[in-house]
Amino acid sequence: GENVEQHPSTLSVQEGDSAVIKCTYSDSASNYFPWYKQELGKGPQLIIDIRSNVGEKKDQRIAVTLNKTAKHFSLHITETQPEDSAVYFCAASGVTGGGNKLTFGTGTQLKVEL
Amino acid sequence: GAVVSQHPSRVICKSGTSVKIECRSLDFQATTMFWYRQFPKQSLMLMATSNEGSKATYEQGVEKDKFLINHASLTLSTLTVTSAHPEDSSFYICSADRIPGHTQYFGPGTRLTVL
Repeated sequence: GENVEQHPSTLSVQEGDSAVIKCTYSDSASNYFPWYKQELGKGPQLIIDIRSNVGEKKDQRIAVTLNKTAKHFSLHITETQPEDSAVYFCAASGVTGGGNKLTFGTGTQLKVEL
Repeated sequence: GAVVSQHPSRVICKSGTSVKIECRSLDFQATTMFWYRQFPKQSLMLMATSNEGSKATYEQGVEKDKFLINHASLTLSTLTVTSAHPEDSSFYICSADRIPGHTQYFGPGTRLTVL
């Protein structure tokens, strides 16, 4: 089955700096890679996703890059703000007959300091 | 759009009782919903895949007779924790798979505490 590794486990940045979180996956058949943000006591919130037919996607301060050859993808947050502080999870999946079964990374605790 | 609700948000029950958690997709239909369990400071662990009108598919190690899942309509799936014990205390989160695109949206989670 799919295995997703995520680094770093914790990341502390100064407000206004950039933050980068990296994930690698094992199954070359995976073709969908979402990123979720989870605040304490809440469910994960989809912030951006990318499919294997593109290499990069951007939405305001958030961008995701995908390297299918190396089987890794990254989340980039620019101009970080205190409200960006949360746990971020990457995930990977290949569409099967039973829907989009996701395999999650272990999470990154991002802290944006004033 | 793409809102998923869960009810209740928090429940405390006595050991041996059963607890039902509802998951609803409010503004889209979902033929597939997923149930996860999350322990403090850990990632999400998939428990089962729920398909509308058919039996749920459980992940290895998840007891299907203990965690009963029903997906009665395209907008509602329920998880019933039967004969709950303190070790079942956890954060349970559902998600709904929106088509087209198979984008998965999560509910706010249910905190279960079994005394």
